[in-house]
Amino acid sequence: QQQVKQSPQSLIVQKGGISIINCAYENTAFDYFPWYQQFPGKGPALLIAIRPDVSEKKEGRFTISFNKSAKQFSLHIMDSQPGDSATYFCAAKYVGNEKLTFGTGTRLTIIP
Amino acid sequence: KAGVTQTPRYLIKTRGQQVTLSCSPISGHRSVSWYQQTPGQGLQFLFEYFSETQRNKGNFPGRFSGRQFSNSRSEMNVSTLELGDSALYLCATCAGLAGGGEQFFGPGTRLTVL
Repeated sequence: QQQVKQSPQSLIVQKGGISIINCAYENTAFDYFPWYQQFPGKGPALLIAIRPDVSEKKEGRFTISFNKSAKQFSLHIMDSQPGDSATYFCAAKYVGNEKLTFGTGTRLTIIP
Repeated sequence: KAGVTQTPRYLIKTRGQQVTLSCSPISGHRSVSWYQQTPGQGLQFLFEYFSETQRNKGNFPGRFSGRQFSNSRSEMNVSTLELGDSALYLCATCAGLAGGGEQFFGPGTRLTVL
């Protein structure tokens, strides 16, 4: 049972553009939603995370938008750069439990 | 602060053998979780240890086991290796208090089973 659905599977964006990756979850007990960035040969690195009591969180060029009623959240990368080319994973977990349930990943490619 | 370290980084084993992987958490982190990453199944949760006790377990067969030591370092063991066990094994650590902490991943151990 896939509890976190992520789309698209791959994404190509021009340099300077906005990259948008979407996730939807099923378990309403989830209360923490992180995004991870992974480069080839490396472990996932925490980018930004949000809790459901806010609808948006911004850190530099990265923004999470959260829609609790729709059970959806998305990552926006503004002014996308070639160095942002990586695989991005959304995830979710709930209070009292460290288990992260991951989406299937999005391979992002930024072209010059 | 040093990050999460995993050893070894690469392993090649044959079917039927067993393997032990190690994870040293960030100083002060008491929770260690293990994940298996494969192209087909993505990132799958194996188990989590906190203060030397397994606190949570994923849907993997009993061939996959783990433990945690008093210094929070953790090991996972896979016995009777199968070809399908080839994967990147990642550990993630956090403070582990009330499930609210950020988790940080190590670089992983790439296991190849021949």
